[in-house]
Amino acid sequence: GESVGLHLPTLSVQEGDNSIINCAYSNSASDYFIWYKQESGKGPQFIIDIRSNMDKRQGQRVTVLLNKTVKHLSLQIAATQPGDSAVYFCAENTAGGYNKLIFGAGTRLAVHP
Amino acid sequence: NAGVTQTPKFRVLKTGQSMTLLCAQDMNHEYMYWYRQDPGMGLRLIHYSVGEGTTAKGEVPDGYNVSRLKKQNFLLGLESAAPSQTSVYFCASSPARGGTEAFFGQGTRLTVV
Repeated sequence: GESVGLHLPTLSVQEGDNSIINCAYSNSASDYFIWYKQESGKGPQFIIDIRSNMDKRQGQRVTVLLNKTVKHLSLQIAATQPGDSAVYFCAENTAGGYNKLIFGAGTRLAVHP
Repeated sequence: NAGVTQTPKFRVLKTGQSMTLLCAQDMNHEYMYWYRQDPGMGLRLIHYSVGEGTTAKGEVPDGYNVSRLKKQNFLLGLESAAPSQTSVYFCASSPARGGTEAFFGQGTRLTVV
């Protein structure tokens, strides 16, 4: 499910460490699961997606894992850099097409030197 | 290549006033969307369009209207603004084929007093 509130959960990591951001979803019928990054004052930016029939997908420095049994999605960022500091949202691409998105509440990633 | 452009970037309205937010995309995308983002929350879909001349309701459509008279433009209207509509509004576009990526504008910060 999605938590709603004024205070985003925050993950603090040291520069160079690996980061893992987690997300729980509720709709088993979603075709795709997607991660977006939102920097302060900007619109969300696509990072990576994973189709519902996959359990792992890798991109450049990022890996997304999907566990449909427990409805859990995670984003792993390798060698986290200061430029990775942002709010990260998981989103479901709803079944039925048209790329409509249902967003989770987000996690703030703070990278410390 | 400008991508998705929203105007205005900021606006303050009095309760009961009306206004229109404009979104323009230059990527020839078929799908366009309007989302709102409230503090500490993910984005919620207001309305969307799957092609010129078509519109449909999203999760939170009440109090808003939209029009897509031209493929590149998607307008969001507030007929009688309410304080509950204070939010940051994001427009996005997506191709009908070629993946799940949605491209977002920079957002419009609207305050209704």
